[in-house]
Amino acid sequence: AQKVTQAQTEISVVEKEDVTLDCVYETRDTTYYLFWYKQPPSGELVFLIRRNSFDEQNEISGRYSWNFQKSTSSFNFTITASQVVDSAVYFCALSGRGGSQGNLIFGKGTKLSVKP
Amino acid sequence: NAGVTQTPKFRILKIGQSMTLQCAQDMNHNYMYWYRQDPGMGLKLIYYSVGAGITDKGEVPNGYNVSRSTTEDFPLRLELAAPSQTSVYFCASSYSQGANTQYFGPGTRLTVL
Repeated sequence: AQKVTQAQTEISVVEKEDVTLDCVYETRDTTYYLFWYKQPPSGELVFLIRRNSFDEQNEISGRYSWNFQKSTSSFNFTITASQVVDSAVYFCALSGRGGSQGNLIFGKGTKLSVKP
Repeated sequence: NAGVTQTPKFRILKIGQSMTLQCAQDMNHNYMYWYRQDPGMGLKLIYYSVGAGITDKGEVPNGYNVSRSTTEDFPLRLELAAPSQTSVYFCASSYSQGANTQYFGPGTRLTVL
């Protein structure tokens, strides 16, 4: 069965600190996809990144970076120089290739509070 | 470009009442999904559809029904509302499964009293 674990329920940092959100996944598929979504206080879900299981290159987008390590089944998300606008709940999600396995399995989310 | 739209934004129901949550997408996506989000939990899949006329159960389908008569619309029906169905409901769509990113609507906050 597929599973996503986000062990950090809540994190609080002061603006300009770096913060890493952890995501550990379980799957028996050899082809799978990992996602991060952001849910700001307004409630909508915003897509941040998708990574497939064959691409272990780290990704950087501005202040955001993602570290995918198949050896530890982890897909961690780092925000550098955090800002108040980064305050949100962040979800990690996993999907297989297709059929019922192609649906998204979400972690429970990590609530990030960035204080000025 | 509207993306995925949901109506209503908020609704309060009494126990035993019925209602339909509306969802529409204008991206010509084949796949559509309904999720519920309970406090402190991630999203759980209720139903999904791989195209017009084809639907399937997700992880938590009990108490809900869906239909998909067009590519654009995917309504979710609650027949006999119960307090356990108090939640935020999200509709999403994607071109395909697996690799394809799901795009979410703004959500419907439902309270059953």
